[in-house]
Amino acid sequence: NAGVTQTPKFQVLKTGQSMTLQCAQDMNHEYMSWYRQDPGMGLRLIHYSVGAGITDQGEVPNGYNVSRSTTEDFPLRLLSAAPSQTSVYFCASSYSSGGAQETQYFGPGTRLLVL
Amino acid sequence: GDSVTQMEGPVTLSEEAFLTINCTYTATGYPSLFWYVQYPGEGLQLLLKATKADDKGSNKGFEATYRKETTSFHLEKGSVQVSDSAVYFCALSSRLGKSTFGDGTTLTVKP
Repeated sequence: NAGVTQTPKFQVLKTGQSMTLQCAQDMNHEYMSWYRQDPGMGLRLIHYSVGAGITDQGEVPNGYNVSRSTTEDFPLRLLSAAPSQTSVYFCASSYSSGGAQETQYFGPGTRLLVL
Repeated sequence: GDSVTQMEGPVTLSEEAFLTINCTYTATGYPSLFWYVQYPGEGLQLLLKATKADDKGSNKGFEATYRKETTSFHLEKGSVQVSDSAVYFCALSSRLGKSTFGDGTTLTVKP
């Protein structure tokens, strides 16, 4: 199993550009999430999904869009990049147990720089 | 809403010292509790977990006990090694399909 894969590993954007961060998992997990990690601020949840066709907002959803058309894929779209979106982005997947999220498996991250 | 508070870092210890990283939480219901570890340039990986009150999670010499009465899940290790240097995150998951993380504690172990 490849686990959780993310592409690209590193990206530089100009302010106003759009792009899609890809995330895929091959563990047949129901739950998938996107986080951003900034120095001194831990991980903040952007969007999450509890199954194909179902998504919801996390703590910091503004400026980001998601969709979940298949169990495997959960892309994150930046609509119009801003310097405040410079961060490291992690995708994670997990299975559920009684509705609760079990252990999350994280991808290697995408480092994004917005100029 | 749910929240997780970790002791502020960074923490610097000498090899073979005792480690404690405090973690307290606020949540409705009965969340599962986790400790994740992040090595430089990598994503987070599970260190240990506990799913109900009084459970003790353990792995690689690390331990943490789910204390419902004090809403805590402190991480301990009796003798740290240089290879334990990393960032440690306390987290909880609710029945809503999402998790809440603490801010992370950076541990540096010196030989």
